[in-house]
Amino acid sequence: ELKVEQNPLFLSMQEGKNYTIYCNYSTTSDRLYWYRQDPGKSLESLFVLLSNGAVKQEGRLMASLDTKARLSTLHITAAVHDLSATYFCAVPMEYGNKLVFGAGTILRVKS
Amino acid sequence: GAGVSQTPSNKVTEKGKYVELRCDPISGHTALYWYRQSLGQGPEFLIYFQGTGAADDSGLPNDRFFAVRPEGSVSTLKIQRTERGDSAVYLCASSSRGVLGARYNEQFFGPGTRLTVL
Repeated sequence: ELKVEQNPLFLSMQEGKNYTIYCNYSTTSDRLYWYRQDPGKSLESLFVLLSNGAVKQEGRLMASLDTKARLSTLHITAAVHDLSATYFCAVPMEYGNKLVFGAGTILRVKS
Repeated sequence: GAGVSQTPSNKVTEKGKYVELRCDPISGHTALYWYRQSLGQGPEFLIYFQGTGAADDSGLPNDRFFAVRPEGSVSTLKIQRTERGDSAVYLCASSSRGVLGARYNEQFFGPGTRLTVL
């Protein structure tokens, strides 16, 4: 059974600081997705990581995937308040592509 | 272009009632997924359609839950004899086939239907 674990589950940061969110998964997968969710809103796709060693960057966020370690990271550089949200990683099952989500990391960036 | 739409956005019902939740996927997307998100948790898979057929319904919690997609586009999630524990946000997502049809591409989510069972 595929399990996806994120840590930390809650992160309170000062503006301007850097931090990393970790996503571990238990079975082989060659792709991983990161989503952002604002309160009361749906999921917004942030990154699609399709291969081992994939690295993608968008603004102050950078995501990477290590399929051998079954680990993805979401790195936040010089955080700003607008990044406050809940971040989910999700791994597709091998067949059918149904997603298994982590529990989410609630990020609060304080001014 | 239009994204995934879901109706209603909110549904309040009484315990024991029947509800239907509708999802209209992105045009041309052959795969459609239903997930359920309880407060403070990540979405959990319910059922997946490939075209008109349910390819995987392993996430449906019990036989009170049923979903259809008769024409391969719009889908309806049906919940009979609702219980308070069914209260959650029900998310729908759709995706297109990947290159050579081997895998599906990323899933795009709708705004969700917040179901409250009193």
